[in-house]
Amino acid sequence: DTGVSQNPRHKITKRGQNVTFRCDPISEHNRLYWYRQTLGQGPEFLTYFQNEAQLEKSRLLSDRFSAERPKGSFSTLEIQRTEQGDSAMYLCASSLSQGPNQPQHFGDGTRLSIL
Amino acid sequence: AQSVAQPEDQVNVAEGNPLTVKCTYSVSGNPYLFWYVQYPNRGLQFLLKYITGDNLVKGSYGFEAEFNKSQTSFHLKKPSALVSDSALYFCAVRDLSDSSASKIIFGSGTRLSIRP
Repeated sequence: DTGVSQNPRHKITKRGQNVTFRCDPISEHNRLYWYRQTLGQGPEFLTYFQNEAQLEKSRLLSDRFSAERPKGSFSTLEIQRTEQGDSAMYLCASSLSQGPNQPQHFGDGTRLSIL
Repeated sequence: AQSVAQPEDQVNVAEGNPLTVKCTYSVSGNPYLFWYVQYPNRGLQFLLKYITGDNLVKGSYGFEAEFNKSQTSFHLKKPSALVSDSALYFCAVRDLSDSSASKIIFGSGTRLSIRP
């Protein structure tokens, strides 16, 4: 168990650019979640996958955001035409799907700063 | 809609004293409740969960939490605080009656500061 891995750890970009983040979940976990966390707040749910299927998307996930998990292993989160308000920590988590009582295991996040 | 409230932004405790971090929740069905801890520039680490059964649940690093259905609370406790417990603590709830039962709602967090 090597834990959930997220890359890059930090991303600084100019407004209007596109960015892509990667998440590698714990290998036997078939559920994968994306959250956004701003300073002084708890994580806010964005979307989640069971295997390669994206089963739910939050209203927070505007048309500029897209997430994929093509082979049911790693996932990518892309933000197009970034805006100042996108500056946040983006957290990935994974879990087993046997029952809703399974805790989610989090990566260390990707901190996005928009100049 | 489900929600979680952590009424204290910060809790300050002397090392060796007991600590309590408060959490109240609101769900329409039966709740699954969780506590997570976050250290600077790190992701969240799972501490403990309440599913059903005994109202007092024990977790990692000597932490425990007490589920109180009548008060809709799930306070985090530790008998003797350590300086290394200083971190940001999040309470979270999953509402089993919600069709999107995979979604967890987090509170806004409580910063715990333990002074030597």
